Amino acid sequence: DAGITQSPRHKVTETGTPVTLRCHQTENHRYMYWYRQDPGHGLRLIHYSYGVKDTDKGEVSDGYSVSRSKTEDFLLTLESATSSQTSVYFCAIRKTGQGNSGELFFGEGSRLTVL
Amino acid sequence: AQSVTQPDIHITVSEGASLELRCNYSYGATPYLFWYVQSPGQGLQLLLKYFSGDTLVQGIKGFEAEFKRSQSSFNLRKPSVHWSDAAEYFCAVANTGGFKTIFGAGTRLFVKA
Repeated sequence: DAGITQSPRHKVTETGTPVTLRCHQTENHRYMYWYRQDPGHGLRLIHYSYGVKDTDKGEVSDGYSVSRSKTEDFLLTLESATSSQTSVYFCAIRKTGQGNSGELFFGEGSRLTVL
Repeated sequence: AQSVTQPDIHITVSEGASLELRCNYSYGATPYLFWYVQSPGQGLQLLLKYFSGDTLVQGIKGFEAEFKRSQSSFNLRKPSVHWSDAAEYFCAVANTGGFKTIFGAGTRLFVKA
């Protein structure tokens, strides 16, 4: 258990509304990630963070923004949700230090439906 | 930038048969390579990883994978599949240092009795 909590776990919203997904970790790891999972595409990296206020874009960042004001929280925001953003969103952390070589630990996912 | 290709969208094997899932990657430097497994409705769990040393790596649940630099491959194998192995399998590559990980599209494994 990597101490990752995603909220909400399920959300249905309408096109054009803002949505924020939250990822919370309890172990103070530096690196945090947001991925989306869609059939036929596997997991695609949206944004990642390598520290407080330090973030970078991934493969599919258009339409998404992130913020990390505290080590433990990494927020993913859809400013104006579209149907193409219907997906399952996974947060992940990367543990560093001895014995850890880049593997990711995932939250349980947040299922977002945009109508 | 790195990329990953998993050529097989789905594979069906009989219980007790051997399994090989293919993975090819593209990355200019020494990659960090991973296999993850996802059961329905669950998050991803690490099966095994490679970042240096012996090119044949052992993982959990009886899985192994071999890194072949000349072929840019990191295929996953298991000598005898169990029904509980039915899941989706993802190959992933991270850049040197391992802080940015890209996943393949996944291979769904079906196991028939």
